[in-house]
Amino acid sequence: DAKTTQPPSMDCAEGRAANLPCNHSTISGNEYVYWYRQIHSQGPQYIIHGLKNNETNEMASLIITEDRKSSTLILPHATLRDTAVYYCIVSAGSGNTGKLIFGQGTTLQVKP
Amino acid sequence: GAVVSQHPSRVICKSGTSVKIECRSLDFQATTMFWYRQFPKQSLMLMATSNEGSKATYEQGVEKDKFLINHASLTLSTLTVTSAHPEDSSFYICSARDQGGGRSQPQHFGDGTRLSIL
Repeated sequence: DAKTTQPPSMDCAEGRAANLPCNHSTISGNEYVYWYRQIHSQGPQYIIHGLKNNETNEMASLIITEDRKSSTLILPHATLRDTAVYYCIVSAGSGNTGKLIFGQGTTLQVKP
Repeated sequence: GAVVSQHPSRVICKSGTSVKIECRSLDFQATTMFWYRQFPKQSLMLMATSNEGSKATYEQGVEKDKFLINHASLTLSTLTVTSAHPEDSSFYICSARDQGGGRSQPQHFGDGTRLSIL
């Protein structure tokens, strides 16, 4: 079973920030938080990941709470092309134990 | 960035046919690759972990004789759906991680193979 909980759906206005929450209260000390998104009929696309510090890249920012039990993915200026299913996954990373178990994710609808 | 190529992108074939799907890491080596299956309006389900030079590890409920996995090199894993039937129709996706990139290196996914069995 997936070890994360996400809201099933969210709406966001185009040009506004999209903040997608994720709960992972049972995360282990060696597990990272990964975010992926899947646009219809394509393979998942990697967005960002982190261990305990906040992270930012060209796509998004990841805010992880101090106790690491939850995180928020931020898309600073959402566009219509950001409409997708967003998955938050915790994983140890390498090798066999690094397999990704997908939950149901959050369907983000960006509206004009 | 890391690229994973999957081929073919779409297959339509008759019941009873065996279908092979290839997954290649184009610019990195991967000792481990993963195979997923996704039914319409559902999430990805991990089927098996493909290990270079050794047997694949299958998730519970996945028939290893039905879904043959071969990982003969550090850049290629293949999934063969043997004697496919209509219930095997699905979206099959592979992923791989750059083994030289450190423990947290993310997995990268292929674009998937849509398999339709008539």
